[in-house]
Amino acid sequence: AAGVIQSPRHLIKEKRETATLKCYPIPRHDTVYWYQQGPGQDPQFLISFYEKMQSDKGSIPDRFSAQQFSDYHSELNMSSLELGDSALYFCASSLAIDTQYFGPGTRLTVL
Amino acid sequence: AQSVAQPEDQVNVAEGNPLTVKCTYSVSGNPYLFWYVQYPNRGLQFLLKYITGDNLVKGSYGFEAEFNKSQTSFHLKKPSALVSDSALYFCAVRDDKGGANNLFFGTGTRLTVIP
Repeated sequence: AAGVIQSPRHLIKEKRETATLKCYPIPRHDTVYWYQQGPGQDPQFLISFYEKMQSDKGSIPDRFSAQQFSDYHSELNMSSLELGDSALYFCASSLAIDTQYFGPGTRLTVL
Repeated sequence: AQSVAQPEDQVNVAEGNPLTVKCTYSVSGNPYLFWYVQYPNRGLQFLLKYITGDNLVKGSYGFEAEFNKSQTSFHLKKPSALVSDSALYFCAVRDDKGGANNLFFGTGTRLTVIP
């Protein structure tokens, strides 16, 4: 079965640079979620989209923005990167409010 | 507000023995409860969920969990542990009130199955 696809899998950036993470949901899923997992921590919800509209917002910094496109893929844009942004970023998708299925994650390292 | 507690950071069990990973929760409304497993450098894999109905939920890889409303618990169990079950396990909850669908995760329990 098709799963959630995230790209890139690994990303290394310098402080103050920008990064864009991409997420391709499971086909026919209309809802996308972004989570951040710091080293040794549990995943923290950032933001979600349903039918291309922002549905919920969690602890997402103002330096980050995201959107969901007409083909339902989503991008997380991160600017003015800080050392503390180094983490594993997960995308999950669901059909409406059904079970969330997670992608493999993008490991972001900020130097 | 929603919250999840996993009281044990680490659980060790011998191969072939039963295993239990504990989870308690707090929500305003009715809970939607989930268990996910994370292998090293991998994403979160869905194991099972409780939404409504039978309190005993069966999921992937022989895992099951029992919803206990009075104790606000949703412990993960397996009758006979395998070495390949060694991983990080997360309990998560979503509230049916407030409209938000995001998950709140516990801090995770690292399960080690000893051969």
